[in-house]
Amino acid sequence: NAGVMQNPRHLVRRRGQEARLRCSPMKGHSHVYWYRQLPEEGLKFMVYLQKENIIDESGMPKERFSAEFPKEGPSILRIQQVVRGDSAAYFCASSGDSKKNSPLHFGNGTRLTVT
Amino acid sequence: KQEVTQIPAALSVPEGENLVLNCSFTDSAIYNLQWFRQDPGKGLTSLLLIQSSQREQTSGRLNASLDKSSGRSTLYIAASQPGDSATYLCAVGGGSEKLVFGKGTKLTVNP
Repeated sequence: NAGVMQNPRHLVRRRGQEARLRCSPMKGHSHVYWYRQLPEEGLKFMVYLQKENIIDESGMPKERFSAEFPKEGPSILRIQQVVRGDSAAYFCASSGDSKKNSPLHFGNGTRLTVT
Repeated sequence: KQEVTQIPAALSVPEGENLVLNCSFTDSAIYNLQWFRQDPGKGLTSLLLIQSSQREQTSGRLNASLDKSSGRSTLYIAASQPGDSATYLCAVGGGSEKLVFGKGTKLTVNP
């Protein structure tokens, strides 16, 4: 199954540590999106990337958060110096092109818990 | 700023009942609207995608409608089954690639 793969499924970090979340898009997809789902909230857009480029990061917090999608390998969402408020489910989605009518395919998410 | 609202937040129905989930959005300038299903602890499964030029889409027992002018969409589920129990999310695609999601409707279908 060549679906969107995210790892790890669950991640526990202490306050102040770094969290790295990985996402491999569907085979043939070169567009990756990261969304965050806080408890009792809807999914919120964070960032949209194409290979080696950040296209739209308007949903990313200004500090501690960064994302990349290198030429080779998965997309990485990195959270430095995590705080309890970062605890959430982080979902990655991919699409095959930039046409606005292409459906997004989501992974199963990474559930981050900050203790 | 686009806002998406889903009503009701939760719904419980007996097996076999037909039901409607509602989604409303504030900005009618959309490219598409997508309905997803989310199971507990899982990711999102795309159910139906309606382009802005379309009025409805059907897949099996599911039918989604779109009324751009009034900023509304409905998801109709026919002959509901316990396996339909999940949270249903509505998401609107606007002028950029990002989707704006509602908070979802949690559906429970009782055997």
